[in-house]
Amino acid sequence: KAGVTQTPRYLIKTRGQQVTLSCSPISGHRSVSWYQQTPGQGLQFLFEYFSETQRNKGNFPGRFSGRQFSNSRSEMNVSTLELGDSALYLCASSPDRAPYEQYFGPGTRLTVT
Amino acid sequence: QKEVEQDPGPLSVPEGAIVSLNCTYSNSAFQYFMWYRQYSRKGPELLMYTYSSGNKEDGRFTAQVDKSSKYISLFIRDSQPSDSATYLCAFTQGGSEKLVFGKGTKLTVNP
Repeated sequence: KAGVTQTPRYLIKTRGQQVTLSCSPISGHRSVSWYQQTPGQGLQFLFEYFSETQRNKGNFPGRFSGRQFSNSRSEMNVSTLELGDSALYLCASSPDRAPYEQYFGPGTRLTVT
Repeated sequence: QKEVEQDPGPLSVPEGAIVSLNCTYSNSAFQYFMWYRQYSRKGPELLMYTYSSGNKEDGRFTAQVDKSSKYISLFIRDSQPSDSATYLCAFTQGGSEKLVFGKGTKLTVNP
């Protein structure tokens, strides 16, 4: 089975702009979670989607949003980018039978200048 | 008190050594205990997960959970240079798909 894929892999944006990141889960996985990884805070949970519904949300401002499509692919959007949003954004998918068993993609490295 | 504590290291060992990586946690609701390995510029890779207290072995890796002490460990036997990576512990309550991660321990295995 192909693993989790994320596009783009690298992105450079300017403060105030918005960005959309994409994630394709492992085939058959309906749950997709998003995490932000920074050197200072480590890996932090953003939100989780299952069958196009957001089931869980972390402690991030409303500038961070996401959605999931009927084919389980997911996107996350960050509006009004700030310098502190520079991070590695990771997507993970998990099987219905074991939602704790999360498999990560390679991530999108976002740099905000 | 932080929900998860993990010594960031760095940890440097000679090839063939036994490596011990540890995390403590404070949330009694955690039911699943995971270890991830992350190579530089890659996403985390799930190594092992356990549900109950005790040991779970997979090849050179052994995961140990002590719920009474809120302490988990990962042991790597006969460590190899290819084991050089950052190791992250992760926890979840089971009913929630939110993983709570430690900050990671950077391990270097020297040939």
